Amino acid sequence: NAGVTQTPKFQVLKTGQSMTLQCAQDMNHEYMSWYRQDPGMGLRLIHYSVGAGITDQGEVPNGYNVSRSTTEDFPLRLLSAAPSQTSVYFCASRPRLAGAYNEQFFGPGTRLTVL
Amino acid sequence: QKEVEQDPGPLSVPEGAIVSLNCTYSNSAFQYFMWYRQYSRKGPELLMYTYSSGNKEDGRFTAQVDKSSKYISLFIRDSQPSDSATYLCAMSGASNAGKSTFGDGTTLTVKP
Repeated sequence: NAGVTQTPKFQVLKTGQSMTLQCAQDMNHEYMSWYRQDPGMGLRLIHYSVGAGITDQGEVPNGYNVSRSTTEDFPLRLLSAAPSQTSVYFCASRPRLAGAYNEQFFGPGTRLTVL
Repeated sequence: QKEVEQDPGPLSVPEGAIVSLNCTYSNSAFQYFMWYRQYSRKGPELLMYTYSSGNKEDGRFTAQVDKSSKYISLFIRDSQPSDSATYLCAMSGASNAGKSTFGDGTTLTVKP
């Protein structure tokens, strides 16, 4: 059971380049989310999904796209990278169980630098 | 104004000290209150959660929620160097399926 995995661990991009951050989970969790974390700041929600084929915007969605074609995978796409997108990106997943608190599990993060 | 405000720190304490970490919030709809611990260059991991008001204890850690004051706290007794990390408070609504709102984190260093 690998939990939540993210690739790559590190990435350097030039302004205007595009890339996809990969996230996968093997716990059969319905809910998946992408957060970014900037120095001295907490986690800000970018996009989230409540199941395959269903996504929605979070607090800071501009410049990012997501899709959820399978339960396991939730990739995050940067369309045209900007220096303001330099950050650490975390993917998270949680189950959907009624009547109980459902713990959110985080991946190890992807450190992205945009020059 | 942010929905969740966390005492910024950083905090530096000697080993064995009692540590108090605090957050305030403005959204009355929050029902779940979580504390995450994040070691350097790692993802956050859930430390404790509390539903609605009250206290919850787990070993050296105690979480308190005062909904009337919109104030939550995490106490760490007999702090250890291994407790050195960033602590994030987080909150979510009653559905528990919704989005969590995080504080900015407090970095704690426990010196041996």
